[in-house]
Amino acid sequence: QSALTQPASVSGSPGQSITISCTGTSSDVGYYNYVSWYQQHPGKAPKLMIYDVSNRPSGVSNRFSGSKSGNTASLTISGLQAEDEADYYCSSYTGSSTYWVFGGGTKLTVL
Amino acid sequence: EVQLVESGGGLVQPGGSLRLSCAASGFTFSTNSMRWVRQAPGKGLEWVSAISGSGGGTYYADSVKGRFTISRDNSKNTLYLQMNSLRAEDTAVYYCTRDGCGSTSCYTFEYWGQGTLVTVSS
Repeated sequence: QSALTQPASVSGSPGQSITISCTGTSSDVGYYNYVSWYQQHPGKAPKLMIYDVSNRPSGVSNRFSGSKSGNTASLTISGLQAEDEADYYCSSYTGSSTYWVFGGGTKLTVL
Repeated sequence: EVQLVESGGGLVQPGGSLRLSCAASGFTFSTNSMRWVRQAPGKGLEWVSAISGSGGGTYYADSVKGRFTISRDNSKNTLYLQMNSLRAEDTAVYYCTRDGCGSTSCYTFEYWGQGTLVTVSS
């Protein structure tokens, strides 16, 4: 069982928007603003898409955005494109002996 | 351009040992903390271990504490993971990652290698 809870799958049509949730606890997501999101295509290494809850690294499309409310963080992808189809993982710093925890991953299907 | 290249994976019997290496380039190696993250076949990501830029601080997930040792040689720009007493549940792709201090965030995994597969089986 993963430390952070994500839906196993989400889907959307091209051009639509989707949101992936990531639920933790008051000791990780709820306490620290150190939530990151990663995109992983099959057979590839993960790629950083969002860091510190809502910041985008240079080169990442502004169609990707992040937010947080309480113990739940969210990744929103607007204007869905076929290339967005991938697995998405959230992570949070915990500050304890665990240090970092990940979500179980969400498979995004672009219909 | 930051590059992280892992090596050393392979097939090992339960109870055996393996040492992974990660050759880094494109940045001043000693200024960033480095971490290992693994992914079991068909499963999610799991943080394994981290080491500070100087090598003076090391951190482990409970699942590997006492069995794995992380180290680095800043003169060779190389990160290591010594894995002992390997178990079937250690089977995974192991990724070498770098923090984002100086560019994004010290609390994120900004750069990833391509991964090296470790299979623990008799």
